[in-house]
Amino acid sequence: GNSVTQMEGPVTLSEEAFLTINCTYTATGYPSLFWYVQYPGEGLQLLLKATKADDKGSNKGFEATYRKETTSFHLEKGSVQVSDSAVYFCALTYNFNKFYFGSGTKLNVKP
Amino acid sequence: GAVVSQHPSWVICKSGTSVKIECRSLDFQATTMFWYRQFPKQSLMLMATSNEGSKATYEQGVEKDKFLINHASLTLSTLTVTSAHPEDSSFYICSAPSKGNTEAFFGQGTRLTVV
Repeated sequence: GNSVTQMEGPVTLSEEAFLTINCTYTATGYPSLFWYVQYPGEGLQLLLKATKADDKGSNKGFEATYRKETTSFHLEKGSVQVSDSAVYFCALTYNFNKFYFGSGTKLNVKP
Repeated sequence: GAVVSQHPSWVICKSGTSVKIECRSLDFQATTMFWYRQFPKQSLMLMATSNEGSKATYEQGVEKDKFLINHASLTLSTLTVTSAHPEDSSFYICSAPSKGNTEAFFGQGTRLTVV
């Protein structure tokens, strides 16, 4: 079947620290991979995506590389800001229909 | 750009009443929409697939008589939580794929609290 596993949170970092949120997936085919961000009280916002193996998605300083050999799509950012505090979801989909989401990782960035 | 608009963004209702949540595709037609539910501190789980002009497809464990889905037009799907109970309190969010399935758009979500 299809599933997404991401590291449990919360993750607490100081401002300007390096961020890694691990995400691995199980898929029956060749899905597209995503990171979505949910700020408090809001819906989902697409952060970045990658549609095939070895693609790197990047946005707002965040990046993730689609690694087929390790079935991973880890999210990284070199220097986090307080404004990055949110819940981050890793997800996969085929054809942008049904999404399979990870459990979400809450990030707290302290000044 | 294409947007999915969900309304209301939050609602508080009494136990036993019904609540309707709307999901509209703006500037594009969506023959299929998806409804997800997110319990506190948990991930989003697909509840059902809403199909324009036909019955919705429900995921295992989701009560179709409790969560009524209507997709009467190419731009509107509604989710009605019937006889709501406190355990139905959750964050509900819809999504729709773009024409050609090149993107997915999510609504803003609806936070339902049943008291």
